[in-house]
Amino acid sequence: GAVVSQHPSRVICKSGTSVKIECRSLDFQATTMFWYRQFPKQSLMLMATSNEGSKATYEQGVEKDKFLINHASLTLSTLTVTSAHPEDSSFYICSAREGLRNEKLFFGSGTQLSVL
Amino acid sequence: RKEVEQDPGPFNVPEGATVAFNCTYSNSASQSFFWYRQDCRKEPKLLMSVYSSGNEDGRFTAQLNRASQYISLLIRDSKLSDSATYLCVVNSPAGGFKTIFGAGTRLFVKA
Repeated sequence: GAVVSQHPSRVICKSGTSVKIECRSLDFQATTMFWYRQFPKQSLMLMATSNEGSKATYEQGVEKDKFLINHASLTLSTLTVTSAHPEDSSFYICSAREGLRNEKLFFGSGTQLSVL
Repeated sequence: RKEVEQDPGPFNVPEGATVAFNCTYSNSASQSFFWYRQDCRKEPKLLMSVYSSGNEDGRFTAQLNRASQYISLLIRDSKLSDSATYLCVVNSPAGGFKTIFGAGTRLFVKA
């Protein structure tokens, strides 16, 4: 089956630093990738949708200057948490869809971000 | 009102029990429906798609009622390994083809 690789799996950083998370589709071209955030005991919250070669679409309440998303190729999307603060500590997961109308989502394994 | 609503639980059941989860969605134009399973601090994994005709996969049965905008998941003969959070997922045309996750229902199966 399709595989989505997400790195790193865990990051511990100091407040004020920036953290980049990568999401790669290994055996298919991901037209659309999604970034989610999940706080403990809460549901996945969609942060943004990125389409290859165009600007990401952010959900209401998500700061685009805080969470920079780049989807420069059909196999790679990155999320950069800029000037991270302790309240940004969360579990971040990416998912990818192969075609514009393909219903199946393939998930990365997630990144646990802890900001000290 | 949330677009996808689930009973958060937790459901605490003994091994061998039958347990049912419910989910409602608000957008009548929603097109496809799924149940995902998520273990703690892991990515969600697709459990099964949900069709109006109902579908069964071993001990798991999913049902969709479009008229009531309601989805269900039935787990028979619960195993310890079924302990997880079950996410109701809806593909909605709102704002472009968007996948919306319910908050999840936590299940604990005990020996």
